[in-house]
Amino acid sequence: ETGVTQTPRHLVMGMTNKKSLKCEQHLGHNAMYWYKQSAKKPLELMFVYNFKEQTENNSVPSRFSPECPNSSHLFLHLHTLQPEDSALYLCASSQDGQLGAYNEQFFGPGTRLTVL
Amino acid sequence: DQQVKQNSPSLSVQEGRISILNCDYTNSMFDYFLWYKKYPAEGPTFLISISSIKDKNEDGRFTVFLNKSAKHLSLHIVPSQPGDSAVYFCAASSSGSARQLTFGSGTQLTVLP
Repeated sequence: ETGVTQTPRHLVMGMTNKKSLKCEQHLGHNAMYWYKQSAKKPLELMFVYNFKEQTENNSVPSRFSPECPNSSHLFLHLHTLQPEDSALYLCASSQDGQLGAYNEQFFGPGTRLTVL
Repeated sequence: DQQVKQNSPSLSVQEGRISILNCDYTNSMFDYFLWYKKYPAEGPTFLISISSIKDKNEDGRFTVFLNKSAKHLSLHIVPSQPGDSAVYFCAASSSGSARQLTFGSGTQLTVLP
């Protein structure tokens, strides 16, 4: 496997279900990200992890719970979601330097989530 | 309020001609700009970037121009090819928050054969 992989690619879940999205990067990067893309909207940054530590949480509801066990893996745990949470969830990684260094982010193919 | 705007949701261009995709931003702290391309069922892929110390960056058929006074950047693709048909996203970041990328809503480019 190369680049950034995400599983599953498609997920349909009910509002009472609990599910998890998985992301793995094979690029040796130290920073990982979760984005949400709703129809016709810009990508919205949800969470940032740098060296396994969460550094950003952009006011995301607690029904989304990220987990980063190591620099290569990132999970997004989902529970009691709402239909409006249906979207494409994208994972990305980058080699993050010091403040002032610019990061080119590499994206996975995304998970298309539908909440019924 | 969107800090990065792509006001054209779609653009159609004839093969061989120039494609010009535009992007405007409002945050004067942005000092690094990127373009990503996205095909259906794939994640965005990095295309080209430009730092605010430059006003032009070129990579093969792709050139990005930055007009800081107008807070405007554009991506030129010449000559356009059918394989360039995709959604193009503009993104911006500031050195004070290097991990945060703010994206525009994208422009669907269709290159007609």
